Order: sequence, then structure tokens, then C-alpha cells
Amino acid sequence: GAVVSQHPSWVICKSGTSVKIECRSLDFQATTMFWYRQFPKQSLMLMATSNEGSKATYEQGVEKDKFLINHASLTLSTLTVTSAHPEDSSFYICSARRTDTITDTQYFGPGTRLTVL
Amino acid sequence: AQTVTQSQPEMSVQEAETVTLSCTYDTSESDYYLFWYKQPPSRQMILVIRQEAYKQQNATENRFSVNFQKAAKSFSLKISDSQLGDAAMYFCAYRTPRNSGNTPLVFGKGTRLSVIA
Repeated sequence: GAVVSQHPSWVICKSGTSVKIECRSLDFQATTMFWYRQFPKQSLMLMATSNEGSKATYEQGVEKDKFLINHASLTLSTLTVTSAHPEDSSFYICSARRTDTITDTQYFGPGTRLTVL
Repeated sequence: AQTVTQSQPEMSVQEAETVTLSCTYDTSESDYYLFWYKQPPSRQMILVIRQEAYKQQNATENRFSVNFQKAAKSFSLKISDSQLGDAAMYFCAYRTPRNSGNTPLVFGKGTRLSVIA
């Protein structure tokens, strides 16, 4: 299967600071990437859809000024949590959609655990 | 809006036995994809199996197979000869095809599968 990497795998930061999470599709180009948030023992909650070269589409209730998404190339999308607070602590997962094959499947990164002190 | 329902929050199975995880969905579309993803304790989302709605034949991947009932909008996952490594959270997911735009996966709430040695 295709490979999607995420960096960092975990991060601890102080309240008020910003944190950037990178998502890369390593062996395919992805015009569309997705960012999810997952709380313990719950399903994945879609935060936003990231499109290469254009603005991200945010789900209802997700603050676009707090969760900045940049999809600068066909293999890289970044999520920046600005002015992080303890309630932003969570597990963030990115996903890249591979459309250059007939299977058209989403592949997931390994996730980033964010802890805000 | 499309919804995916997994009615079994937890399931358990004896090693080497067979277990079936249930999933139902609601949609007005006639063409779509269905997926089962596995999330082990590492939290890496892994694609287990996929099914195109236009295909009548049930998808199979080694010990994993599905029972796709389009009229009933049911998409169950059968795991045969269960192994300890199958213990994980399993998510059923739905998506419309690529021509419908950048539509994300719609996930169910998940079923936690335990495998008993």
C-alpha cells in the first residue's frame, strides 16, 4: 500500500505556543489530504479537507484561525495549531487520497499525539 | 447526509475462530465505496478491505471477507481463523466516488475486537 508519513509523532508544548504538524505522501501525489482529530476510544472526527494550491475546507465548528492548514505541494500538507491550549490536546491524524490508481483509496499517517501543558 | 452505524461497540472472539462485525449505512447514492479500516493499539489506520457498490461480488482479502447487501445497506466484515494480531478497533467507512469531488470518508463509531488466546 501507499505510505503517508506524519511528523512529529508526538509533541508536548506550553499553552499559548504554536505547533506545526507535517503530513507527507511518500510514494504518490495527493491533491487532497484530510485532517482528523481523534479523542480516546472514539472515532475519527474530520476537521478539514486540504486541497493543493487552494484554501482548505473546514468542517462546521472547527476554527480556521486556530487550525491553519497549508497544502503547498502535491506531497505535503501542514496543520498548525496556533496559540494551543490544554483542550487542544488530542491525537491528530492526516490522510492522503490516492487517485492515480483505479482503487482511489485514502491512506493514513501514523498520527501525532499533541499534549498542551 | 450519509451515515454509518456500527451497532457493536465491543466484540470478542477465541483465537482461530470466526467473528463477524456489523455495519449499516444510509445513503441515497447508487454508486459509492465501502471500507473497513483497522486501528491497532499503535493507532495507525490500516485499510483492511474495500468494496465498490457496483460490484455484486463480495470482496475478500485472505482471512477477511465482507457480506455486502446493497438493498439492505449492510456491509459486514468476517474475520476467519482469528489471530491475536487481529485485536484492534475496526471502523466501517463510506465514500462517494472521485467524480463527486473531494468527499471525505464517513466513519462509523467503531467496534473494539478482542482476541482471546
